[in-house]
Amino acid sequence: SQTIHQWPATLVQPVGSPLSLECTVEGTSNPNLYWYRQAAGRGLQLLFYSVGIGQISSEVPQNLSASRPQDRQFILSSKKLLLSDSGFYLCAWNGGGPHNEQFFGPGTRLTVL
Amino acid sequence: AQSVTQPDIHITVSEGASLELRCNYSYGATPYLFWYVQSPGQGLQLLLKYFSGDTLVQGIKGFEAEFKRSQSSFNLRKPSVHWSDAAEYFCAVGGPSSSNTGKLIFGQGTTLQVKP
Repeated sequence: SQTIHQWPATLVQPVGSPLSLECTVEGTSNPNLYWYRQAAGRGLQLLFYSVGIGQISSEVPQNLSASRPQDRQFILSSKKLLLSDSGFYLCAWNGGGPHNEQFFGPGTRLTVL
Repeated sequence: AQSVTQPDIHITVSEGASLELRCNYSYGATPYLFWYVQSPGQGLQLLLKYFSGDTLVQGIKGFEAEFKRSQSSFNLRKPSVHWSDAAEYFCAVGGPSSSNTGKLIFGQGTTLQVKP
């Protein structure tokens, strides 16, 4: 069966520090991968998605970047964190089929101080 | 434009009472519709999905949803709510136009509180 992992689970970082969040999927190949952010009291905001290795699409301009160095690995990064980067970050995948069902990881809680 | 609207930001029901969470969508083609649930500090879990066929779909945890094309709605229901159902619920829409990317459009969510 397929599983999706995110780490770390929680992270507290000072403003201006770098960021690297990792997401890996097991049990499937060539998944579509997604990074979402949830700010407090708000819905899901799609940040990036990837349909293959090295293929990254950005949904909103921001202080973050994403990379997909391997088929089942998706990384969210920042060179210098802002206070507004605080939130709950969710990674998701789908099998690329026509029914677009997405499966979510457990999330990473990021607090920027 | 494609969009999903969940009109109720917050709903409170008594344990054992029935529940209906509303979802309206705007989508140019045949929609694929989903309901997800999120417990605090957790990821999203798929409750149910609609692609085609019978417009009343059954999901996990005793939930069901009905697709009404004429009303562009996909409301979530449960006959008797349990305290463990307290969570945030998201409606989402996708479809053939996004089959390559698999992107979904999510509503803003409805927070369900259950009174004992």
